[in-house]
Amino acid sequence: GQNIDQPTEMTATEGAIVQINCTYQTSGFNGLFWYQQHAGEAPTFLSYNVLDGLEEKGRFSSFLSRSKGYSYLLLKELQMKDSASYLCAVRDITAGNKLTFGGGTRVLVKP
Amino acid sequence: GAVVSQHPSRVICKSGTSVKIECRSLDFQATTMFWYRQFPKQSLMLMATSNEGSKATYEQGVEKDKFLINHASLTLSTLTVTSAHPEDSSFYICSARLGTDYEQYFGPGTRLTVT
Repeated sequence: GQNIDQPTEMTATEGAIVQINCTYQTSGFNGLFWYQQHAGEAPTFLSYNVLDGLEEKGRFSSFLSRSKGYSYLLLKELQMKDSASYLCAVRDITAGNKLTFGGGTRVLVKP
Repeated sequence: GAVVSQHPSRVICKSGTSVKIECRSLDFQATTMFWYRQFPKQSLMLMATSNEGSKATYEQGVEKDKFLINHASLTLSTLTVTSAHPEDSSFYICSARLGTDYEQYFGPGTRLTVT
């Protein structure tokens, strides 16, 4: 099975930086995804890491360390519209490349 | 990116009735579709994996006779919630992918309310 942990909630100020951590345990790691989900909407893809290191996409960056079973999503220059849930999901090749989601981290951006 | 649609977006039904939710891949052929359920303030929980032309594989704890899944074509999968009860009220999200090594694309979700 898989175990994916991320904090439940985080609060940050507009313009600041927030880092959302995700730790995982899986037998057949084949990539880690970050999704953003606004209330009542489906998840939207943010980033994908399969090799160690940092992937940068504008204000969002994602880091992966496979040896540590650890990833983080970094949100810079926070905007009010970034208030949402952020879901970490791991793909397991031994399970037909299914995605398993962590519990999600609700980020609240305050003015 | 690829587009996945769901219909209806919202549905309210009475307890004991059945509800069908459709998931379509609009611009690609999806060999595999996934059905997730999400309760308020919780994450997505995979219910079942559906491969075109074969029986769906259900996750542990999901009743296959209650949640009927049909994946009759490469662009359409349906989830039927049979004899719905208020505890089945949830946000149901489908996703689709072209093949095992391809990205999953999510539909917009269906909000089911059972009264």
